[in-house]
Amino acid sequence: AQSVTQLDSQVPVFEEAPVELRCNYSSSVSVYLFWYVQYPNQGLQLLLKYLSGSTLVKGINGFEAEFNKSQTSFHLRKPSVHISDTAEYFCAVTLTGTASKLTFGTGTRLQVTL
Amino acid sequence: KAGVTQTPRYLIKTRGQQVTLSCSPISGHRSVSWYQQTPGQGLQFLFEYFSETQRNKGNFPGRFSGRQFSNSRSEMNVSTLELGDSALYLCASSLGIGSNQPQHFGDGTRLSIL
Repeated sequence: AQSVTQLDSQVPVFEEAPVELRCNYSSSVSVYLFWYVQYPNQGLQLLLKYLSGSTLVKGINGFEAEFNKSQTSFHLRKPSVHISDTAEYFCAVTLTGTASKLTFGTGTRLQVTL
Repeated sequence: KAGVTQTPRYLIKTRGQQVTLSCSPISGHRSVSWYQQTPGQGLQFLFEYFSETQRNKGNFPGRFSGRQFSNSRSEMNVSTLELGDSALYLCASSLGIGSNQPQHFGDGTRLSIL
């Protein structure tokens, strides 16, 4: 069975500072990787995805992530955060194949302050 | 293009009752998945439907059921409600089956059990 670990439950950061949210996964077969963001009282919004090809993936709102197969990681980065980036971020995987079931990490709360 | 629509947004029920939640996918999307989000268990997969057929099911008791209609709209039903069923229920749609298909989420239905 696959699993996703987000070691940091909360990440405080000042506005305009860079940030990295960590994600590690475990799976015996190939996976696809996703990052979602959840703002208060809303559903999940897809930030970016890694399916194949270049290991550096660019997403919306200036976020990017790098797939590292040897370290089974898919860390999310942003060079300069804004107050509006304050939200919960979820890393998720699916197994390659026909099943769309997403397995999520426990989430990282990004708190941006002035 | 309208996003995934979930109704109602909020529900209050008492133990022992049953409830039906509705999800209208993005136009043209034929796959619908349901997830439960709680503070304790995080985001957990309930089930996935495609072409009116359940394709995948998570580890939930039989009190949780769902169905999909010919227009791809989906409903989930929870019978004999328990306090632990209090959660945010999220619906997600994608174009088709396949784990590389990004899922688009609605804003959820918040179910509170008294």
